[in-house]
Amino acid sequence: DGGITQSPKYLFRKEGQNVTLSCEQNLNHDAMYWYRQDPGQGLRLIYYSQIVNDFQKGDIAEGYSVSREKKESFPLTVTSAQKNPTAFYLCASSATATNEKLFFGSGTQLSVL
Amino acid sequence: GQNIDQPTEMTATEGAIVQINCTYQTSGFNGLFWYQQHAGEAPTFLSYNVLDGLEEKGRFSSFLSRSKGYSYLLLKELQMKDSASYLCAVRRGRDDKIIFGKGTRLHILP
Repeated sequence: DGGITQSPKYLFRKEGQNVTLSCEQNLNHDAMYWYRQDPGQGLRLIYYSQIVNDFQKGDIAEGYSVSREKKESFPLTVTSAQKNPTAFYLCASSATATNEKLFFGSGTQLSVL
Repeated sequence: GQNIDQPTEMTATEGAIVQINCTYQTSGFNGLFWYQQHAGEAPTFLSYNVLDGLEEKGRFSSFLSRSKGYSYLLLKELQMKDSASYLCAVRRGRDDKIIFGKGTRLHILP
């Protein structure tokens, strides 16, 4: 079955630690996105990529980094510079960068120990 | 600037009709999406409007007025499973980013 897979479902981070959230899609989609969701805040865009080996900052990129070495994969690293990382992280993809709906993964809940 | 506004919470009765409004101000416009999200789950696509007018899909309909920066999602024959958050999102014309509102939590009463 085609889809978008995020792992792990739950992740705990210690102070000063970097953690990486995985996002893989087998939909052959060009564009991929990372959103952060906090209670009462809706979804906020962290990074997005319209094509392999290229990505752009979203509205809240500070403290995060991404890579897009393969079309199928768009991992997100939450660095120690992100002081408030506790949130629900959603990865999404779309067939092209324009006029196409987003398909979402099931999300990763990140918490700080 | 950019802003997408929708009510924080709404309550409706099973079997009734409810309309969730969304107003937006963005740098250009390339379409508006509505998503449904149950707690702790991924959002699922409901509708997409890029031209003015009403799009109907079963119990759900979505309306767009680009000149007014306004959309609504209409849910008919409400069922208990419709209790969820409904997210309005706009694809910004300036850079094709999809920007989300804060969502409307809909509570369905029996």
